[in-house]
Amino acid sequence: DVKVTQSSRYLVKRTGEKVFLECVQDMDHENMFWYRQDPGLGLRLIYFSYDVKMKEKGDIPEGYSVSREKKERFSLILESASTNQTSMYLCASRPPGPSNQPQHFGDGTRLSIL
Amino acid sequence: QKEVEQDPGPLSVPEGAIVSLNCTYSNSAFQYFMWYRQYSRKGPELLMYTYSSGNKEDGRFTAQVDKSSKYISLFIRDSQPSDSATYLCAMTRGSNYKLTFGKGTLLTVNP
Repeated sequence: DVKVTQSSRYLVKRTGEKVFLECVQDMDHENMFWYRQDPGLGLRLIYFSYDVKMKEKGDIPEGYSVSREKKERFSLILESASTNQTSMYLCASRPPGPSNQPQHFGDGTRLSIL
Repeated sequence: QKEVEQDPGPLSVPEGAIVSLNCTYSNSAFQYFMWYRQYSRKGPELLMYTYSSGNKEDGRFTAQVDKSSKYISLFIRDSQPSDSATYLCAMTRGSNYKLTFGKGTLLTVNP
């Protein structure tokens, strides 16, 4: 089974801090994604990466950056955390190829910015 | 008009009921359609996948796509309390395009 592991289930940080969310997958997938999930807004794509050192902006990249130095690891960075970035953050990965390859999700990091 | 519309519910049914979950969409370029199930405090997991129009059955679950109406459905037969979760529809134009998700429908199956 594909395993997508997010380093923290719950995280509390202060406004202005630089925050790192880590995601690791064990299936050698090229494609990795970061979403945030908010009540009433659903899942929104922040950034994605098709391969090592490659990144593409999603629908809501403002205030975030990403890093993909190794294939298995995709990091989401909040450069200067703000209270409106309090959310559930979900990482996903999928192999390249036909669209019937599903995205596999981690269990999420619930981030609170105080 | 939003690209994907999904009634958020909540939907509450008795055990054994047939459940119908639906999404409508506006982008006729969508070709691949998925349903994810998300239990509380967990990530979404893929439940069903269909390509283009038609039906697909897997056990108690049936996914239906009507591209002419831009409407997809997920049917759950003989619903169980363990089916209680949020169900998310998702769709994409193809392998090089991002997934677009509905907002999810919260389902509770009461024993």
